[in-house]
Amino acid sequence: GESVGLHLPTLSVQEGDNSIINCAYSNSASDYFIWYKQESGKGPQFIIDIRSNMDKRQGQRVTVLLNKTVKHLSLQIAATQPGDSAVYFCAEGVEGDYKLSFGAGTTVTVRA
Amino acid sequence: GAVVSQHPSWVICKSGTSVKIECRSLDFQATTMFWYRQFPKQSLMLMATSNEGSKATYEQGVEKDKFLINHASLTLSTLTVTSAHPEDSSFYICSARRKGTDRETQYFGPGTRLLVL
Repeated sequence: GESVGLHLPTLSVQEGDNSIINCAYSNSASDYFIWYKQESGKGPQFIIDIRSNMDKRQGQRVTVLLNKTVKHLSLQIAATQPGDSAVYFCAEGVEGDYKLSFGAGTTVTVRA
Repeated sequence: GAVVSQHPSWVICKSGTSVKIECRSLDFQATTMFWYRQFPKQSLMLMATSNEGSKATYEQGVEKDKFLINHASLTLSTLTVTSAHPEDSSFYICSARRKGTDRETQYFGPGTRLLVL
């Protein structure tokens, strides 16, 4: 399943399939990006980050892709599991500023 | 590591009372702590940034006399909602940035749900 972030803030995906969550960021000066996962009633949980000098970074079952040309960020989750159901936020920041700006969030629902 | 706690996890209070929320970094020292507010089904809105031993920097539109922030040590920041009113009901989340790192990653607490009657 794939979302387009700001235009389709929800994503329904079959368990076991791969998920792609998209984020369009606004500040061309941003050089640091983070994906967070927030489960209902809890604080955001760090998933993975990437700096602007990279275009891809992999973690455990997750991959973040960065396209600076079109200011687009995506999070790929492999073999989506029920525990992946949550709201996913992308956040952008400028090195040295320390503040993060959060996107609207995409709600991911995993179907059994 | 990088665990952040908040206390209390939820609080119900009467209108006009003040409520204090604590944010602690449990296994690291935090150069900077941040306070956010989140309404249902919305994103996080940064309220203020606090550095240990100095005054907090508030975002535009956030009343500093209403939301008092104290960053007493490298592991503790508090947010006091003074004279709380029903419109202050929200989910308040803190985050902390690890001292000694050049990364902007913030580690979040579990949040405090405030309900003002």
